[in-house]
Amino acid sequence: DAGITQSPRHKVTETGTPVTLRCHQTENHRYMYWYRQDPGHGLRLIHYSYGVKDTDKGEVSDGYSVSRSKTEDFLLTLESATSSQTSVYFCAISVPTPRGTGELFFGEGSRLTVL
Amino acid sequence: TQLLEQSPQFLSIQEGENLTVYCNSSSVFSSLQWYRQEPGEGPVLLVTVVTGGEVKKLKRLTFQFGDARKDSSLHITAAQPGDTGLYLCAGGTGGGNKLTFGTGTQLKVEL
Repeated sequence: DAGITQSPRHKVTETGTPVTLRCHQTENHRYMYWYRQDPGHGLRLIHYSYGVKDTDKGEVSDGYSVSRSKTEDFLLTLESATSSQTSVYFCAISVPTPRGTGELFFGEGSRLTVL
Repeated sequence: TQLLEQSPQFLSIQEGENLTVYCNSSSVFSSLQWYRQEPGEGPVLLVTVVTGGEVKKLKRLTFQFGDARKDSSLHITAAQPGDTGLYLCAGGTGGGNKLTFGTGTQLKVEL
């Protein structure tokens, strides 16, 4: 158990409303990520963070913003939700390995439906 | 943008059969990981390979990293229903802290 919790786990909202998803970790790892998962696309990186207030864009960042004011929390915000943002969102942390790579541990996902 | 294409996209086989899943890219990666995901859960790491030509075995699963570090394969021997799930490859760059995921292979193993 990597101590990652996502909230909410399920949310239904309407087009144009703001939505914030929260990811909380208990182990103070430096790297945190937000991915979205859609059929046929695998997992696509939205934004990631490499420290408090240090964030960078992923491949599908348009329409999303993030914030990391504390090591343990990484927030994903949809300023004005659209139907194309209906998806399952996964938060992940990266744990360093002896081989110099990072092993990702994922939360259980947040299913967002935008009507 | 680095792309990782997996094939096949879907695979339905009988228990006891062998199968191979492929992960291909035109880009070079510093590492290649394979994850398995079950419904309603996040992906779980199976293996990491970092050297071109590297082969790793995990019980009935054999993973290989291509010599040029652009592709990888996952071979399962004598598949079992417990192998059912979504298999994802992921290529690492920049020290391995930024991963690009493949499109996924949905495997179903039936009795």
